[in-house]
Amino acid sequence: EVHLVESGGGLAQPGGSLRLSCAASGFSFSSYGMNWVRQAPGKGLEWLSFLSTSSGTTYYADSVKGRFTISGDSGKESLYLQMNSLRAEDTAVYYCARVVYGGNSWSRYYYMDVWGKGTTVTVSS
Amino acid sequence: SYELTQSPSVSVSPGQTASINCTGDKLGGRFAAWYQQRPGQSPLLVIYQDIRRPSGIPARFSGSNSGNTATLTISGTQAIDEADYYCQVWDISNWVFGGGTKLTVL
Repeated sequence: EVHLVESGGGLAQPGGSLRLSCAASGFSFSSYGMNWVRQAPGKGLEWLSFLSTSSGTTYYADSVKGRFTISGDSGKESLYLQMNSLRAEDTAVYYCARVVYGGNSWSRYYYMDVWGKGTTVTVSS
Repeated sequence: SYELTQSPSVSVSPGQTASINCTGDKLGGRFAAWYQQRPGQSPLLVIYQDIRRPSGIPARFSGSNSGNTATLTISGTQAIDEADYYCQVWDISNWVFGGGTKLTVL
């Protein structure tokens, strides 16, 4: 069975750092892209970052560019999110999700077919 | 940047059909996905590539996408369908979500 399990959340001070992990199982980690998505309390879903595990290509939302870094370890089948310069507005539940993508040059599809249960990050002094 | 707009809430009676819309510029030219999120749970993919249902998703869930609007339709809505629903597309290295629609089954 396919599983994603996030860990590493907790309380951080403004300006501080945290490293989130996402352990994948039940599928070939290097055959899929991976996303980090967060949800602030009472708010909607916000995409943060993508990693192509095969090419190493990364994308970031403007809200975290320069502060967060996504990475992966195919040997450990794990995804990471290094979060620096944390702000109060980074308080949220953070999900990792498996990305399915494909199509052709004029019609591409991208969606997330497996999600973890999330890990909670609270940024407060 | 590309934006998707959803109505904040939709209400439906049990057994009736619920339609949840998602609008964006020329949205019909992109593939849309829909996610269901029940309270306290992580999101669940219910529709991808506009119309396709993942394995295990009931047939009462269907999708369409044309013009500027993608629609998630739930036929014979049940109490367990009460949840937040989010549409999503991809836009040149960004994943874009709609703001979400809270479906209430009265």
